[in-house]
Amino acid sequence: KNEVEQSPQNLTAQEGEFITINCSYSVGISALHWLQQHPGGGIVSLFMLSSGKKKHGRLIATINIQEKHSSLHITASHPRDSAVYICAPMDSNYQLIWGAGTKLIIKP
Amino acid sequence: NAGVTQTPKFQVLKTGQSMTLQCAQDMNHNSMYWYRQDPGMGLRLIYYSASEGTTDKGEVPNGYNVSRLNKREFSLRLESAAPSQTSVYFCASSEMAGEWNEQFFGPGTRLTVL
Repeated sequence: KNEVEQSPQNLTAQEGEFITINCSYSVGISALHWLQQHPGGGIVSLFMLSSGKKKHGRLIATINIQEKHSSLHITASHPRDSAVYICAPMDSNYQLIWGAGTKLIIKP
Repeated sequence: NAGVTQTPKFQVLKTGQSMTLQCAQDMNHNSMYWYRQDPGMGLRLIYYSASEGTTDKGEVPNGYNVSRLNKREFSLRLESAAPSQTSVYFCASSEMAGEWNEQFFGPGTRLTVL
């Protein structure tokens, strides 16, 4: 069983739609990262959180430590949001435990 | 600020050749990391340097060596390249080591070993 499971694996939506990507993990962690990998390969760290909710622009991340579940939401989605979104718990050895990623395509 | 820069962007090697991947950051970060990403896979940590003067092995260190040249620069060396080392290599840095610190990534080096 994978330690980190993301759903959906692929998501195609229309511009303006509200997007939700889910992440469930089985490893014990203290911090969970959400990252974005662009089609060209560049990686950007979006959020790092251990409890509650964080918001940055149109992006919102939530985490429930007891349920070992995190979600990433995108409001008013735009074609430039098209990318792979990765949930990655980090362990105390600085290892990022990557989920399989969710490939998001936003159509104009 | 350029953030994290990597050179070269692309490289093709023959089996047995050696090369050094360069990474530099201008954010005055203490910690730096080297990862590899194989097709369809997540990142795997090769080596990291928690602070200037220290380096430690990550998940997949075999076949690689690193040098933390100074606070800005962290290089990755392949002494005798093998086809299994064909991958995209990412360098990252963070203010401090540890799971609480956001990592900033370079653009990657795409390496092919024939």
